[in-house]
Amino acid sequence: AQSVTQLDSQVPVFEEAPVELRCNYSSSVSVYLFWYVQYPNQGLQLLLKYLSGSTLVKGINGFEAEFNKSQTSFHLRKPSVHISDTAEYFCAVRGRLRSQGNLIFGKGTKLSVKP
Amino acid sequence: EPEVTQTPSHQVTQMGQEVILRCVPISNHLYFYWYRQILGQKVEFLVSFYNNEISEKSEIFDDQFSVERPDGSNFTLKIRSTKLEDSAMYFCASAGTTSTDTQYFGPGTRLTVL
Repeated sequence: AQSVTQLDSQVPVFEEAPVELRCNYSSSVSVYLFWYVQYPNQGLQLLLKYLSGSTLVKGINGFEAEFNKSQTSFHLRKPSVHISDTAEYFCAVRGRLRSQGNLIFGKGTKLSVKP
Repeated sequence: EPEVTQTPSHQVTQMGQEVILRCVPISNHLYFYWYRQILGQKVEFLVSFYNNEISEKSEIFDDQFSVERPDGSNFTLKIRSTKLEDSAMYFCASAGTTSTDTQYFGPGTRLTVL
């Protein structure tokens, strides 16, 4: 079984400041890792994913995340945020086998970017 | 860009009534999912569907829930007798043909049970 912990439920930050949203996971099997973003009144949009290879993954809108196997973490970062980044961010994992295809989500982190 | 669509966007129903939530997955996708998000809580997996049958389901997906792909394009979630605690946002997702394919989510249907 897998589980995901997002340590911060809310992160307020000023525009153009850097931000890091933390995600830790636990799993008894090898996993794929994902970050999704949910803008107000919208569905979930994939930001980035880690499948294999380089542990630093770049996604859309200037976001990146680093997979750290020893710390079982997959933190999301952006060097300079914009007002438009205000949204809720969800970290998710799934097992690598097709039979383990369902996503397990964290509780989400609400990023609030202030001018 | 292809996208997953869901109808209706908002459904209000009385407790005990049946509801059907509809989804149109991306056309060449083979794997289909339903998730739900109760207000203020995490997104939870309900069921996955492949090759015209359920491939996985969570403990939430009890006998009052069913899924169907009635034709080549729609994927439906039926709740037979709704309860107050079924009030949530329901998301449909679809994925392609390989084990690493991304799940693409629809905008969701907000179900309100009164």
